[in-house]
Amino acid sequence: SSELTQPPSVSVSPGQTASITCSGDKLGDKYVCWYQQRPGQYPVLVIYEDKKRPSGIPERFSGSHSGNTATLTISGTQALDEADYYCQAWDSSSPYVFGTGTKVTVL
Amino acid sequence: QVQLVQSGTEVKKPGASAKISCKASGYTFTGYYIHWIRQAPGEGLEWMGWINTYSGGTKYAQKFQGRVTMTRDTSMSTAYMELKRVTSDDTAVYSCARESSEYTSGYVHWGQGTLITVSP
Repeated sequence: SSELTQPPSVSVSPGQTASITCSGDKLGDKYVCWYQQRPGQYPVLVIYEDKKRPSGIPERFSGSHSGNTATLTISGTQALDEADYYCQAWDSSSPYVFGTGTKVTVL
Repeated sequence: QVQLVQSGTEVKKPGASAKISCKASGYTFTGYYIHWIRQAPGEGLEWMGWINTYSGGTKYAQKFQGRVTMTRDTSMSTAYMELKRVTSDDTAVYSCARESSEYTSGYVHWGQGTLITVSP
């Protein structure tokens, strides 16, 4: 299966840490990207190549990848981080499948 | 600056075909693949496929094999995505996207999205 599974929702208090997992078969063979999508907007790349941050993305966003599971961590979560987050497997020889998506709620 | 400008909203009858364009500017069109992604109302992102704008080669998600065709016109710097035999399940916003020139993965350039509504 080429599906990537994420938890449907994650709730976090302001200032705390939110972690979102992304799991899939053979994910260990691929790079993982993460996107943030606010309502009505296009997705914004927040992590590429498993753990690198694009220019302009705050340091509180970090990524890791071990085996078939990748993780996006938001440290010191702020209200403006409330959004949907998607992982994506990046491999030119395979489908660029997206994860099922996680809604992050900052309580 | 890089821009991807898509064609406008369409309403289609079930069984019809929908064809969306994505006009690129601000860079060498044939230097980057164009990917197509869709998002149904209230649903997640779904990768549909890519086109190699230099060679015209394509790769489609298995789900769309036989129903989707991606093409390009290099003289117009425009990519196209045609979806045949649409049903109500194909109602979605369809977007073209391009990866960054700086990063090894991920999309940083997106079209504005094209809403396709399938309705009897």
